[in-house]
This record gives sequence, structure tokens and C-alpha cells, in this order.
Amino acid sequence: GAGVSQTPSNKVTEKGKYVELRCDPISGHTALYWYRQSLGQGPEFLIYFQGTGAADDSGLPNDRFFAVRPEGSVSTLKIQRTERGDSAVYLCASSDLTSGGAETQYFGPGTRLLVL
Amino acid sequence: AQSVSQHNHHVILSEAASLELGCNYSYGGTVNLFWYVQYPGQHLQLLLKYFSGDPLVKGIKGFEAEFIKSKFSFNLRKPSVQWSDTAEYFCAVNVYPIKAAGNKLTFGGGTRVLVKP
Repeated sequence: GAGVSQTPSNKVTEKGKYVELRCDPISGHTALYWYRQSLGQGPEFLIYFQGTGAADDSGLPNDRFFAVRPEGSVSTLKIQRTERGDSAVYLCASSDLTSGGAETQYFGPGTRLLVL
Repeated sequence: AQSVSQHNHHVILSEAASLELGCNYSYGGTVNLFWYVQYPGQHLQLLLKYFSGDPLVKGIKGFEAEFIKSKFSFNLRKPSVQWSDTAEYFCAVNVYPIKAAGNKLTFGGGTRVLVKP
């Protein structure tokens, strides 16, 4: 079946602009995560959705970052007033949260954001 | 908060050599442990995982990892590497049991492995 998809694959924007990054999780997966991967580093957690609600947004760096998942499927990560330091690969992952805690996250290809 | 450290940033080895990548985490409770791999131009893929039971876990492509609780380690091994194992490898951990606040993964910084043909 189809995996996690993310669009766009690449996004170039200018400092101060607004961007939206989209994630389509695996069908039926209730849990959705956003991570950010800066050059030379491992992915860092941003936000977690269980269904439609953001159950944990402790990783969002500041209030310029916001994410939604209005129907419990597709999610959009929104970044206002972009800064050069926001340049990174933004990864989305989804999982089918099973009982007992044995959860595996499946990652999408990421959106590479470059802020000029 | 938990943290994950991978000791080697870059590893270069020849085909048929053995590979071992170190991973240590800091968290005193029960954890789930993962190794993900990212081949050039591809997205992160799960290599293997440990939730419970036998601490020696076998994954895809001949990889295995051993969970040593007393050392807070989850090292990845492969007895004989191939050129196609060239990739970046990430160790990750999350805390068990799952709480309502989420099951976020904490990743190490990654190890770039280059296998020379």
C-alpha cells in the first residue's frame, strides 16, 4: 500500500514569508508526527497528533510554527515569518497505535525547506 | 528528558568487513529502541526495533542489534557489509508505556557509513 507522502518535496522561500507543508499519512493511521532534521543532525520532534487533536506540541520551537489535522488524516505544518534558521528537512511520520505500546512510526520522504 | 548518543559520526570500511555502530541512551525507565536507515536519496526506513523479550533483535538485510539494559546501549551490527549498505544510520528511543501526550522518538545524531567496493 501507499506510504506516507509529503508535498512539496522542495520549497524555497524568502525570509519573512509564510509556508505550508503537507503530510498525507498511511491510510488508517491515527497517530501523526512532525519532525525537523537540520543538516548533519538526527530528526527532532516537533508535534504529535492523535486523531484531530495535537496531543503534544512541546517540540515546536516558537509560536511561528503551527500545525493542524482537521479531519484526522492529512496534516499541514504552517510556518509564519520564516527565518533562515528554519531551513531544514521537515519529516512526517504516521503510526497505527496498537495496544500495549508497540508502535512503529513510518516516515515520509520529507520536505526540504530553504529560506533565503 | 531522554537523549541518545551515537559515538561515530562517520565510518568507512571495505566490503565484507564487519560493522558495529554504537548507541547509548539516557533514561532510567522502560524504553522502546529503534534503528532507522536512510539510503542516499531515500527516506528513513525502519531497520529493526526492540520492544521487549529477547534482547538480541534481528532486522532486515542481515542487521542485528543487542539491547544491554545495564549499559543503556543498543548497538547495531552486521557481520559482513556490502556496498549497498552505504547509508546513514539513526538510533532512536521512545519511552514506554505510552502516555496520552505521545510517543515521540528521540534520535541520535546519526552515523554515516561508507562501504568501499
